[in-house]
Amino acid sequence: DAGVTQSPTHLIKTRGQQVTLRCSPKSGHDTVSWYQQALGQGPQFIFQYYEEEERQRGNFPDRFSGHQFPNYSSELNVNALLLGDSALYLCASSLAYSTGELFFGEGSRLTVL
Amino acid sequence: TQLLEQSPQFLSIQEGENLTVYCNSSSVFSSLQWYRQEPGEGPVLLVTVVTGGEVKKLKRLTFQFGDARKDSSLHITAAQPGDTGLYLCAGAAGHGGGGSNYKLTFGKGTLLTVNP
Repeated sequence: DAGVTQSPTHLIKTRGQQVTLRCSPKSGHDTVSWYQQALGQGPQFIFQYYEEEERQRGNFPDRFSGHQFPNYSSELNVNALLLGDSALYLCASSLAYSTGELFFGEGSRLTVL
Repeated sequence: TQLLEQSPQFLSIQEGENLTVYCNSSSVFSSLQWYRQEPGEGPVLLVTVVTGGEVKKLKRLTFQFGDARKDSSLHITAAQPGDTGLYLCAGAAGHGGGGSNYKLTFGKGTLLTVNP
């Protein structure tokens, strides 16, 4: 049973560039959430996708956007990268209408220079 | 904005000692989850508590949800080096209409180091 997979695992970008991160949810899960985890901090909610629509959004600017595909996989896009966007980006999958337990991938470590 | 305060932020103990980690909020949560995260990996769910006053045990780990569903604690008995990691609590609150799942708010975590 495949868990949550994310790609790439590590990437380096420069300020102003754009980045796309990808996530495949755990088999059977239909909801994908994205979190940003800065060094020494807990994960912060970016947004959640269900039925190919953004259902909830955290306190992140419009530079952060996403998409969910019919097979439930998801992408996170960040435009006009800032130094402060350097973080571990975590994808978490869950099952709709459950008590919300999340299954996380190992994350994509983004460094912005 | 819902906030979860975890304490202590850092904890370094010797193998065999007991410890308690706290998670407090001024907000009421529908449920509260505890995760453990090891370096270079994503958080892994340990337990979900739903009912006020609920106590759950997972081997040497005991989790408690406060009666008012605003706080929780994690107690580890006879800690082992394998317990080392970042312990995160996360509160689930009601989502806006049309959403499929609760939105989780995470605390900053307690970084536990158990020395042999």
